[in-house]
Amino acid sequence: AQSVTQLDSHVSVSEGTPVLLRCNYSSSYSPSLFWYVQHPNKGLQLLLKYTSAATLVKGINGFEAEFKKSETSFHLTKPSAHMSDAAEYFCVVSDPSGGSYIPTFGRGTSLIVHP
Amino acid sequence: DARVTQTPRHKVTEMGQEVTMRCQPILGHNTVFWYRQTMMQGLELLAYFRNRAPLDDSGMPKDRFSAEMPDATLATLKIQPSEPRDSAVYFCASGLMAGAGANVLTFGAGSRLTVL
Repeated sequence: AQSVTQLDSHVSVSEGTPVLLRCNYSSSYSPSLFWYVQHPNKGLQLLLKYTSAATLVKGINGFEAEFKKSETSFHLTKPSAHMSDAAEYFCVVSDPSGGSYIPTFGRGTSLIVHP
Repeated sequence: DARVTQTPRHKVTEMGQEVTMRCQPILGHNTVFWYRQTMMQGLELLAYFRNRAPLDDSGMPKDRFSAEMPDATLATLKIQPSEPRDSAVYFCASGLMAGAGANVLTFGAGSRLTVL
């Protein structure tokens, strides 16, 4: 069975400082991994995805994530936070268990950006 | 860009009333999901369909919730009778769950339900 753990429910940073949102996963297969972002009162939007190609994945708005199999991690980073990055971020794992590729969502990390 | 369309965007109703939420998935996507989001419980998977067939609705309260997909362009989520604890944002998402690299979900903007 697949699972995903987002290690922080809230992360608070100052504008212009680096962002790190942590995610660990569990899967019996070679999984696909995703980060989605949800801005206030909006639906979820794909930020980036890993699907067994390059381990360092670049997404929209300057975010990137690195797949580390040895650590079963897929942490999301950004060198410099912007006020508009304040949102909820979801780490997602999807593998072929059951033949379905049904995704499992983490509980989310709320990113707070201070001026 | 193709998008998932949900209606209504907002619904306020009284306890005991029937509520129907609708979703138009992206054409060609074979899997449709219904999620519920609240502050307390976060994002919960209610049900999903593959090629219009219900695959799993174990996340749904069976006595009052029902989900259907009468055709490839419409998925519905119905609550009857509604209760205040059903107040939440309901999201529909669709995807082509066909393997690694092809299993990205596209979410609708959500239906915000308030039951008084």
